[in-house]
Amino acid sequence: DAGVIQSPRHEVTEMGQEVTLRCKPISGHNSLFWYRQTMMRGLELLIYFNNNVPIDDSGMPEDRFSAKMPNASFSTLKIQPSEPRDSAVYFCASRPQQVDTQYFGPGTRLTVL
Amino acid sequence: AQSVSQHNHHVILSEAASLELGCNYSYGGTVNLFWYVQYPGQHLQLLLKYFSGDPLVKGIKGFEAEFIKSKFSFNLRKPSVQWSDTAEYFCAVTDSSASKIIFGSGTRLSIRP
Repeated sequence: DAGVIQSPRHEVTEMGQEVTLRCKPISGHNSLFWYRQTMMRGLELLIYFNNNVPIDDSGMPEDRFSAKMPNASFSTLKIQPSEPRDSAVYFCASRPQQVDTQYFGPGTRLTVL
Repeated sequence: AQSVSQHNHHVILSEAASLELGCNYSYGGTVNLFWYVQYPGQHLQLLLKYFSGDPLVKGIKGFEAEFIKSKFSFNLRKPSVQWSDTAEYFCAVTDSSASKIIFGSGTRLSIRP
């Protein structure tokens, strides 16, 4: 099993640019979560999907952030326009339905200059 | 609302010392409890979990945790730590609906060789 796959692993961009982070959950998992981790704020849940449907996006910081899950094997988190305060590690996690353990991807380290 | 408190932000121990990391949660109903570990530069990995049954749960790498319902606690323990246990440890909780998982702020563990 390849585990949760995220790309890119590192992204450096300039303020104002659009950033797209990608996630492939573990096959057969029905729930997908996007987290942001910073030194100041710790681990924050941004949004999660169940069966490709967004269930709770209350953690999305502002309208510059959007997430989609067009099918069971792919999700994107987009930031447009990006700002330096968006610099963080973004984790994707997936979970089998009815089982609570979440499996985390390796993360994308985003640096916005 | 559910919340998870980890009061120790940074713990420094010598090798072979015993470890106990505190975790308290606030929720009146049935909960599922987790400890995740994040080694430097890596993603979160499940250390152990409690769903029901024996309140003393054994996890990987010699870790264990005890669920004390009356104290709303789920403290993590290890009798003798190793340098390789240097990591950040996150306590987390979900309710019985298993909708989303709430993470504590994390405890950074540093082990002196």
